[in-house]
Amino acid sequence: AQKVTQAQTEISVVEKEDVTLDCVYETRDTTYYLFWYKQPPSGELVFLIRRNSFDEQNEISGRYSWNFQKSTSSFNFTITASQVVDSAVYFCALSEAPEGSNYQLIWGAGTKLIIKP
Amino acid sequence: GAGVSQSPSNKVTEKGKDVELRCDPISGHTALYWYRQSLGQGLEFLIYFQGNSAPDKSGLPSDRFSAERTGGSVSTLTIQRTQQEDSAVYLCASSAPGQRSYEQYFGPGTRLTVT
Repeated sequence: AQKVTQAQTEISVVEKEDVTLDCVYETRDTTYYLFWYKQPPSGELVFLIRRNSFDEQNEISGRYSWNFQKSTSSFNFTITASQVVDSAVYFCALSEAPEGSNYQLIWGAGTKLIIKP
Repeated sequence: GAGVSQSPSNKVTEKGKDVELRCDPISGHTALYWYRQSLGQGLEFLIYFQGNSAPDKSGLPSDRFSAERTGGSVSTLTIQRTQQEDSAVYLCASSAPGQRSYEQYFGPGTRLTVT
């Protein structure tokens, strides 16, 4: 069965430190999609990134980077030089290639990231 | 452009009452999803609409929950005879057709409190 595990419930770091959020997934499909969403205190989920299962190339976007490793079923997210505005709950999610077009998301429990000034 | 909007933002209701939650997807987005976020269950899928096709209701937790989507746009999630365990944030998301159909964009949610 499909599952997403975010073992870190809460992480607290001081501003400017680097921080990595872990995500481990389970799926039997060979084609699937992985996502990270940010949920700031305002509550709205913000899409950050999507990776396809057939593309293991890592990605960097400014201070954010993502490390996708199929061998360990992991899709980790690193924030470099963290800032207070990065404080939020971060969710990792999985979507399997549907029979129809329902790309419903299977969610991890989320990691609450606290950046202290 | 305008994002996904949901109304009301907050709803307090008494146990046993019916409630309706509304979602306006991004213009041009053919797919619409409802999710629920609760303390005990985390984020969970409820229902999916795609154009005029029959919805995928596989995530609805009980027959007290129903949803419709009129004209392929606005959607309403209805909870009948609300129970305290229905208290949660109900999130709506939409996605565009084509290659990026797996990228979902979320509304601000409706916080439902059943007293």
